[in-house]
Amino acid sequence: EDKVVQSPLSLVVHEGDTVTLNCSYEVTNFRSLLWYKQEKKAPTFLFMLTSSGIEKKSGRLSSILDKKELFSILNITATQTGDSAVYLCALTQGGSEKLVFGKGTKLTVNP
Amino acid sequence: DGGITQSPKYLFRKEGQNVTLSCEQNLNHDAMYWYRQDPGQGLRLIYYSQIVNDFQKGDIAEGYSVSREKKESFPLTVTSAQKNPTAFYLCASSSGRVGGLPQHFGDGTRLSIL
Repeated sequence: EDKVVQSPLSLVVHEGDTVTLNCSYEVTNFRSLLWYKQEKKAPTFLFMLTSSGIEKKSGRLSSILDKKELFSILNITATQTGDSAVYLCALTQGGSEKLVFGKGTKLTVNP
Repeated sequence: DGGITQSPKYLFRKEGQNVTLSCEQNLNHDAMYWYRQDPGQGLRLIYYSQIVNDFQKGDIAEGYSVSREKKESFPLTVTSAQKNPTAFYLCASSSGRVGGLPQHFGDGTRLSIL
């Protein structure tokens, strides 16, 4: 059974568009949810969310968590070709630092 | 520069051969992790270690082995028992303290069968 489900799996947009990526989860003893961006190689950390309703923002990227409905969204405004990547959602449970990943959303931004 | 170094970047394995992937970190992190990534899939945990001389199996440990003799190093051996080893392997580390996320990743090793 999938614990972390990302949607859509793939998305193609034009530069300047705004996109919303979704991550829903079903786990016991949820502790935190993380977003990573993966281009060719190493995933790079974007956000870590632990509390509902508090938006985290970094430039054109923002993310929010809903612990009641068990999902998070990652928004990217005014997309650029450099935003093309796979965006990974992961979560931790209980006292463990292990990450459980979703399958990722592949975002392609065309000029 | 502090970071995680994985080597080699590309590796080819012959049938029946064991191969070892290197992972070194100079972040002074206690915890280290190995993940496998297949096309169109997320990362799946192979093994992790929270302290020197101790490690635990992840979700897909069969056919793999690890050691943690030094804090900085966490090599992964892909044994001949792993029948489908072709994948992208990522090593990560974190401070290991609760709340010590996020994990930092190396640039990966791409393993293929000859």
